[in-house]
Parts: sequence; C-alpha cells; structure tokens
Amino acid sequence: DTGVSQNPRHKITKRGQNVTFRCDPISEHNRLYWYRQTLGQGPEFLTYFQNEAQLEKSRLLSDRFSAERPKGSFSTLEIQRTEQGDSAMYLCASSTNFGTGGVRGYTFGSGTRLTVV
Amino acid sequence: ELKVEQNPLFLSMQEGKNYTIYCNYSTTSDRLYWYRQDPGKSLESLFVLLSNGAVKQEGRLMASLDTKARLSTLHITAAVHDLSATYFCAVDMTSGTYKYIFGTGTRLKVLA
Repeated sequence: DTGVSQNPRHKITKRGQNVTFRCDPISEHNRLYWYRQTLGQGPEFLTYFQNEAQLEKSRLLSDRFSAERPKGSFSTLEIQRTEQGDSAMYLCASSTNFGTGGVRGYTFGSGTRLTVV
Repeated sequence: ELKVEQNPLFLSMQEGKNYTIYCNYSTTSDRLYWYRQDPGKSLESLFVLLSNGAVKQEGRLMASLDTKARLSTLHITAAVHDLSATYFCAVDMTSGTYKYIFGTGTRLKVLA
C-alpha cells in the first residue's frame, strides 16, 4: 500500500493557461474524490468517481474543469483557461467500496498546490 | 443543505492544559471523521466515528459523537507542542456518494 499519490506537488502557471493534475489512488480503492482547499478553509467537494464512472460533480466545477478516470485507475483533473481564483490546493482521496470506506474513511493524497499568476 | 461548523476557529493554549473542540452539523448523519492538517500538508485521518455514542481515543486526543445532538467533540488532554495543527471534522453525506462536508477547521497552537 503506497498511499494516494498526486503529481505534481506544486504548479505555477500563468492566467489563461491549461493545467492537468494526476492522482493515483490506492490500488484496491474503487472510489476516488477530488476536493479543493483554499487558504484557511476546509476542503470542498468537487467530483466523485466510482470506478471509471463520474457520478457526481459539484457546482464548483465550472465548464473549465474536467475530470477523468479511464479504466477506473488513475484520475486526471484538467483546468482550462486558468484564472487567479483557481489558485488552491487540489486534493485527491480514495476509499474502498464498503459504505464510508470502512473503518479508515478516505485516504488523502499530498495534494497539488496550484498558483495562477 | 448540510452545514458543518466548528468552534473555536482559533485556539491558543498552554502546554499541559485541557481543551475541547466542538463540531456541530445541521442534518442527520451517523458518521463523522476527524482529520489533522499541518501547514502546507495534506490531511491525516485521526478518528472515524460510525455510530451514536462512539468514543475513540489516541494518545492525548479523544473524539466522541452524539448523533441526536448532531455534535462531535475532540478533547485534548495535557496538550503538547506537537499537537499544534489545524483540525477538521467532516460529516458523511450518506447519500450514496459518501462525499464529506468539512467543517471550517480549528487552528490549534500549543505554547511551550
């Protein structure tokens, strides 16, 4: 069990550019979540995958955001035409298929910190 | 819409003292989670509370859940500097998505 891996750890981009983040969940976890956390706030739900199916998207996920999870393994989150308001920590989490994720709940990755300049 | 509130938002305490962080939520849920976050880091799972009356303890931290009052507490006993961090509670929406709604966080600073 190598945990949830996210890449890159940090990304600085100019406004208007596109960025893509990757998340590799724990291998036996069917559920994968993306959250966004801005400074001084708690994480906010963005989207959720059950295997390869994207089952729910938050209203926070504008048309500039797209997430995929091909073959139910790793996931990518793409932001097009980045804006300064997109600057945040993007967290990925995964869990098992049993209810709340069993006795451990989610396991979070280390996050990708995005800075849009 | 489910709302999760924590208080206090900031807590500065002396080493050796006891204190309690409160987490209130607005709709029915019987699953609650506590996480710790160090500056610039991700979230570390502390406790998973899955039923009314659940109590979990780890070292100087003890968490409890009262689903009827929609309240969870995180009690700190004899605080030490290493406990300085931000603590979040999160409530499971139990809607089938099992997404979490996080509280506002409590930033704890333990003074030596």
